[in-house]
Amino acid sequence: QKEVEQDPGPLSVPEGAIVSLNCTYSNSAFQYFMWYRQYSRKGPELLMYTYSSGNKEDGRFTAQVDKSSKYISLFIRDSQPSDSATYLCAMDQGAQKLVFGQGTRLTINP
Amino acid sequence: DTGVSQDPRHKITKRGQNVTFRCDPISEHNRLYWYRQTLGQGPEFLTYFQNEAQLEKSRLLSDRFSAERPKGSFSTLEIQRTEQGDSAMYLCASSLGFGGQKVNEQFFGPGTRLTVL
Repeated sequence: QKEVEQDPGPLSVPEGAIVSLNCTYSNSAFQYFMWYRQYSRKGPELLMYTYSSGNKEDGRFTAQVDKSSKYISLFIRDSQPSDSATYLCAMDQGAQKLVFGQGTRLTINP
Repeated sequence: DTGVSQDPRHKITKRGQNVTFRCDPISEHNRLYWYRQTLGQGPEFLTYFQNEAQLEKSRLLSDRFSAERPKGSFSTLEIQRTEQGDSAMYLCASSLGFGGQKVNEQFFGPGTRLTVL
């Protein structure tokens, strides 16, 4: 079993929809939770990070962590075609290396 | 451009050849990481440096792989006797590490795409 599980999709939604992306994890030592966005043939770009349980909002993006359920989410409001990319969750237990999910490929249709 | 840079962006080689990749981190960052990403998968950690010291290596990093960061600035990743299974995107990332920092914000380069024929 992988430490971090993420549905690879693909996920296709119409422009303006609310998108929900999720990851589950098994390692209770993870303390820091991140979401990266990766466009085709590019390196990952850090979108958001959270520490411990709770919500964090940044513009159209909201990251949510539920440590009791070992479940994290990223919500995208008013989705735009430019949001089309692969979204990777990543986790860190303070050991420097990030453990990534498989990535969810998202397409926003105009 | 003050981001992480990697060279070359693409490399095609024949099985059995040696290849070397270079990574230049963000200038003030003292931590540097190498990851490998295969198609349809997330990046997997390979190794990590703090300044010039290599502090951790994944078991994914076989004896054919070696990484260096001789002066605590740029880093090289060498793969000897390449195999077809080495075909992947090799990503470099850097972060600003200092005492007390909790959040490991890693900034990634564009990657080097390796194809082994």
